[in-house]
Amino acid sequence: DGGITQSPKYLFRKEGQNVTLSCEQNLNHDAMYWYRQDPGQGLRLIYYSQIVNDFQKGDIAEGYSVSREKKESFPLTVTSAQKNPTAFYLCASSSGLYTEAFFGQGTRLTVV
Amino acid sequence: GQQLNQSPQSMFIQEGEDVSMNCTSSSIFNTWLWYKQEPGEGPVLLIALYKAGELTSNGRLTAQFGITRKDSFLNISASIPSDVGIYFCAGLPRGGSEKLVFGKGTKLTVNP
Repeated sequence: DGGITQSPKYLFRKEGQNVTLSCEQNLNHDAMYWYRQDPGQGLRLIYYSQIVNDFQKGDIAEGYSVSREKKESFPLTVTSAQKNPTAFYLCASSSGLYTEAFFGQGTRLTVV
Repeated sequence: GQQLNQSPQSMFIQEGEDVSMNCTSSSIFNTWLWYKQEPGEGPVLLIALYKAGELTSNGRLTAQFGITRKDSFLNISASIPSDVGIYFCAGLPRGGSEKLVFGKGTKLTVNP
C-alpha cells in the first residue's frame, strides 16, 4: 500500500534531550513537509523539502532540524533549543511543491 | 503571507442535521482542498477542487469552488457520529509559485 508512515505514534523524552521523528513515504513524491499542531490550533509549517538534499525553513523552524538524504525519507529532529516541544507532529508529502499534500498519521511528542 | 479564514471555528449539531462550513481569502486560489482530521490522526484528503464553480461530491460530502476563486464551501448532509473531527480547508494560491495554505479548521461535534 502506498502511503506515508510516521513513527513512533507516541514519544516521550526528558527535557534537554534531542529526539528524532521518522517519516517515510512510498508515493514517489518529490516534496515533503513537517507541520506542528498544538491543541485547538491549526497546522504550522516547520520545514519543507522540494527535492533530495534540499530543504527550506517554514514558519517555525527554530529549535528543529531536518535532513533529506533519500527521496523517501524526511526525518525531523527536535533539539533541546526548542522551548516548547510538546505537540503533535505531522509529516506530509506531495508530488510537487505546489500540489495537494497527503499526511501521515502523526507523532505525539511529550517532553517531561 | 496568504491567509485563509475558515468558519465557523466549531459546530455542535444533532445527528441527522446538515452541516455547512466555508473558507474565504482576499486572494485568488487555483486549487481548493478539504481535509478531515479525526482525533489523534493525521488529516485525510476528502475533496479536491481545481476549477472555479466546480461542485464535487464524496458520499454525503459536497464541496464547491467559489466563482470568485476566493472561497470554497463544504457541506455534509445527514450527519452521523463518525463525522466528528476537525475539517480543514487548504488552497494553492494563483500563480503556482506558493505552497499550500491552510485554514485553522472547523471542529465538528455530532450528538447522537
